Amino acid sequence: KNEVEQSPQNLTAQEGEFITINCSYSVGISALHWLQQHPGGGIVSLFMLSSGKKKHGRLIATINIQEKHSSLHITASHPRDSAVYICAVGYFDTDKLIFGTGTRLQVFP
Amino acid sequence: EADIYQTPRYLVIGTGKKITLECSQTMGHDKMYWYQQDPGMELHLIHYSYGVNSTEKGDLSSESTVSRIRTEHFPLTLESARPSHTSQYLCASSPLETQYFGPGTRLLVL
Repeated sequence: KNEVEQSPQNLTAQEGEFITINCSYSVGISALHWLQQHPGGGIVSLFMLSSGKKKHGRLIATINIQEKHSSLHITASHPRDSAVYICAVGYFDTDKLIFGTGTRLQVFP
Repeated sequence: EADIYQTPRYLVIGTGKKITLECSQTMGHDKMYWYQQDPGMELHLIHYSYGVNSTEKGDLSSESTVSRIRTEHFPLTLESARPSHTSQYLCASSPLETQYFGPGTRLLVL
């Protein structure tokens, strides 16, 4: 069982819809990362957060440390947002990251 | 934008061949990582380095080896490729906690 669980595994949306992707983890962490992987394979780091909320453009990431849960929201989704969104967690005693299996998002025009 | 490069981007090779996947970064990051990712699956750490002459094996056992002779360069070598090595290999570097990923190398071993 993966220590990092994402839901849903697959998500389709119409352009303009509000998107939420969830991530749950099992033990205390030092930080949580949201990454975006495009079909070509390249990965871009979107957010790193250890508490509260961060916003960048149409993307918002939140984390609830007590509930061991994070969400990634996309407002006014667009076809170019289509990608795999990956949640990864880091721990205090190591630089290694543990990755979720990702959520595949497809946004249709 | 991060400057981390991987070559080749795609490689199709026969069983038994020796291959080296290249990874270079121009940001002066001390920490570098190699991940293996099968289609639809999560990334698994196979090697990492905290600086020149420092290399460690990751959580996923791998028959590959790495070297770190220069800060900017972290190549991965497979002495004898097998079909089970078919996968995507992603390199990353980090100054502190945020990791910057290269574009990946898709390897197919026939």
